[in-house]
Amino acid sequence: DGGITQSPKYLFRKEGQNVTLSCEQNLNHDAMYWYRQDPGQGLRLIYYSQIVNDFQKGDIAEGYSVSREKKESFPLTVTSAQKNPTAFYLCASRSSGAGYEQYFGPGTRLTVT
Amino acid sequence: GDSVTQMEGPVTLSEEAFLTINCTYTATGYPSLFWYVQYPGEGLQLLLKATKADDKGSNKGFEATYRKETTSFHLEKGSVQVSDSAVYFCALSRGGTSYGKLTFGQGTILTVHP
Repeated sequence: DGGITQSPKYLFRKEGQNVTLSCEQNLNHDAMYWYRQDPGQGLRLIYYSQIVNDFQKGDIAEGYSVSREKKESFPLTVTSAQKNPTAFYLCASRSSGAGYEQYFGPGTRLTVT
Repeated sequence: GDSVTQMEGPVTLSEEAFLTINCTYTATGYPSLFWYVQYPGEGLQLLLKATKADDKGSNKGFEATYRKETTSFHLEKGSVQVSDSAVYFCALSRGGTSYGKLTFGQGTILTVHP
């Protein structure tokens, strides 16, 4: 089945540590996105990538980094510079066709203590 | 910039009641409009979409019509079920240099009681 996988589902880290969240898609989509969701709020865009080896900052990129070395993969690193890293992180992808709908993975809940 | 405003929740209904969740938007040009649904602890699922004025998106008994004159995309369902309990997000996307980025509303929590 085609889809987007994110791992792990739950992640716990100590303050001051960097952590990398995985996102893989087998939909052959060109574009991929990372969002952050906080309780009672909508989703906010962290980074996005339209093609391999290229990515742009979204609305809240500070304290995060990404890479796009393969079309299928778009890992997100939450660095120690991110002041409030505890959140639910969602990865999405989109084809280059019309309509612009994005397809989402199941999410990773990161808790930093 | 682009923005989406949804009616504040939470919304609590009895089974078989009529549902409306209001959504209005601000955007230049002709955005595509979407409703996504999120069940507890899960990612978002596309519920329906509309890509031009007067289009009606529909899925699983839910409907929404793209109204350019009122910049609205209200979600409706004639008879809700307990299984419809979830968080609903209205979103828009523009083409061109926005690279298909989605702008979301804050979400509306729906709880349906038997």
